[in-house]
Amino acid sequence: EAQVTQNPRYLITVTGKKLTVTCSQNMNHEYMSWYRQDPGLGLRQIYYSMNVEVTDKGDVPEGYKVSRKEKRNFPLILESPSPNQTSLYFCASSLFNSPLHFGNGTRLTVT
Amino acid sequence: GESVGLHLPTLSVQEGDNSIINCAYSNSASDYFIWYKQESGKGPQFIIDIRSNMDKRQGQRVTVLLNKTVKHLSLQIAATQPGDSAVYFCADARGNEKLTFGTGTRLTIIP
Repeated sequence: EAQVTQNPRYLITVTGKKLTVTCSQNMNHEYMSWYRQDPGLGLRQIYYSMNVEVTDKGDVPEGYKVSRKEKRNFPLILESPSPNQTSLYFCASSLFNSPLHFGNGTRLTVT
Repeated sequence: GESVGLHLPTLSVQEGDNSIINCAYSNSASDYFIWYKQESGKGPQFIIDIRSNMDKRQGQRVTVLLNKTVKHLSLQIAATQPGDSAVYFCADARGNEKLTFGTGTRLTIIP
């Protein structure tokens, strides 16, 4: 089944403790992206990648890192999480200029 | 700045009736729009898209209309069903790297 898989689905952590949210797609898509979703603000792009070893900042990249060492994987790294990064995170992938396929989300709480 | 917005945050429709969800965008250079549906606990799911060389596009029970003159698009859902209850987003997709989402309309189908 074609899908975007994120892990974990839920994560509670404390301020400053490094964490990684994994994202994997099995559709051989070149493009991958991370979004955060907050009430009243909609979906905002954090980082995106056009292909392996190519990443770029989205609208809200501060406090996040990504890497794209393999085509299928695009992990989101929070080196030192803070409470304002409490949010619902979505990974997505697509072929170029085609609709995105989204994962089912990771709900992160930073205390 | 550029924006994409939905006219109503919530909409309630009687089951079996048609529903119309509206969206406005600000950038006259935008040429590709996508509608997504997000059910509770899931990631956004592609419904239908439209490019600026079209005024109308139809899918199964859904129709998207694009009015470039007033920078407005709408999603029409025919004969609504309980499974149509969700949050609907329009997105301005001028190239994947600049995907801008509206804040969403929550559609509730009344039995």
